[in-house]
Parts: sequence; structure tokens; C-alpha cells
Amino acid sequence: EAGVVQSPRYKIIEKKQPVAFWCNPISGHNTLYWYLQNLGQGPELLIRYENEEAVDDSQLPKDRFSAERLKGVDSTLKIQPAELGDSAVYLCASSSLEGELFFGEGSRLTVL
Amino acid sequence: AQSVSQHNHHVILSEAASLELGCNYSYGGTVNLFWYVQYPGQHLQLLLKYFSGDPLVKGIKGFEAEFIKSKFSFNLRKPSVQWSDTAEYFCAVNARGAAGNKLTFGGGTRVLVKP
Repeated sequence: EAGVVQSPRYKIIEKKQPVAFWCNPISGHNTLYWYLQNLGQGPELLIRYENEEAVDDSQLPKDRFSAERLKGVDSTLKIQPAELGDSAVYLCASSSLEGELFFGEGSRLTVL
Repeated sequence: AQSVSQHNHHVILSEAASLELGCNYSYGGTVNLFWYVQYPGQHLQLLLKYFSGDPLVKGIKGFEAEFIKSKFSFNLRKPSVQWSDTAEYFCAVNARGAAGNKLTFGGGTRVLVKP
């Protein structure tokens, strides 16, 4: 069974440029998460989807971040415009009904 | 709001030594508890989980954790570590409730095992 797939693995951009990350969750997992992980810290939740509905986006900086999961499967996370402080690893995860999260390999963003 | 605290940011030990990583959480309700591991250059992987039943749970690679409800703790242990256990370990809590799954992570403990 394929795991959570994310792309790109690495992205380097200049500040004020836009960037987008894509995630394909495990088949059959209705819940999808985007987490932010800064170096030396634990993952922090940005947004959680139940199917196509964003049920928890309280930690998403909505002035520059947006996310969508139009058909309840794949999801994209966008930052526009990116700032230096956005440099981090963006993790996508999906969960089974039991609540165990399965993570992708992450997308490492470097903003110059 | 729930929070998770991991006591040590860095642990250095030699092979064959015993390992114990502390984890405490703050949440008054029913929880699911997890330990995830992140090996260098790899994604987060589940080590073990506790949902209910025996509070001593065994995971992969010889790890175990004990849930002590009265202490709001879920400490991770391994009797004898190997060099390959060098990784970062994250404790996580999922507060069970009407809002659904919301996994909150601790800050992580970076473990270095010297050969």
C-alpha cells in the first residue's frame, strides 16, 4: 500500500514569491492534515480536513496561507507571498478512523 | 487546549545503555497517546500507540511506553539502545472528543547513541 505522497521534496524560492505543496493521502483516509515543522521542534498543526471540509484551520495564517482539498482526496497548501520565516518542513499526514497518523516525507521550503 | 511536554531536548548515551524519555500532557479528558520517531533524513514513523487497555504498550524495535493516567505521563523506554536508535522522538496526544482527531506533538527529544 502506498503511503502519503508529497511533492516537491525540496523547494528554494526568494521571498515574496508564491509556492505550493501537494499531498496525496493514503487511499481511504478521510482525514488529512498539514503540519509545519521548524528545525528542532515538533510538528504544529496548520489545518485539518475531514473529507473536503476544513474542520480546524485556527492555526493557519490566512493572510498568506491557503489550502484546499476539492474532491476530498488530494490537497494543496499554498503560500503567497512567502516570507523568510516560512522556511520549514511542511508535512502532510492522513489518518485512519482509529486516529493513527501516517506522515509523508515532507516538503522542505527554503526562502531566501 | 491540550499540550505536550517532553522533558529532554537532547540525550546522548552509549550503546547498550537504557533509555527513558519523558512525556507529559495536559488534557483532562480521554486521550490516545503516541510516540513517533524520525530517523535522520526520513519521515515520521509510528513507534507505538496507546488507545485503551494495558497501560504498558510495546512497540517496534524493542521500545515500550507506560501510560500513567494519574501523572498524565506516557514515558518511552528501551532497555538497551543501539546506534541505529539515533533519531528524534516525538510524543503526541490525540484528545478524543467531538471535534475529531487533533494530534498535538511535543517538542521532540533528539537522541544520539554513540557506538
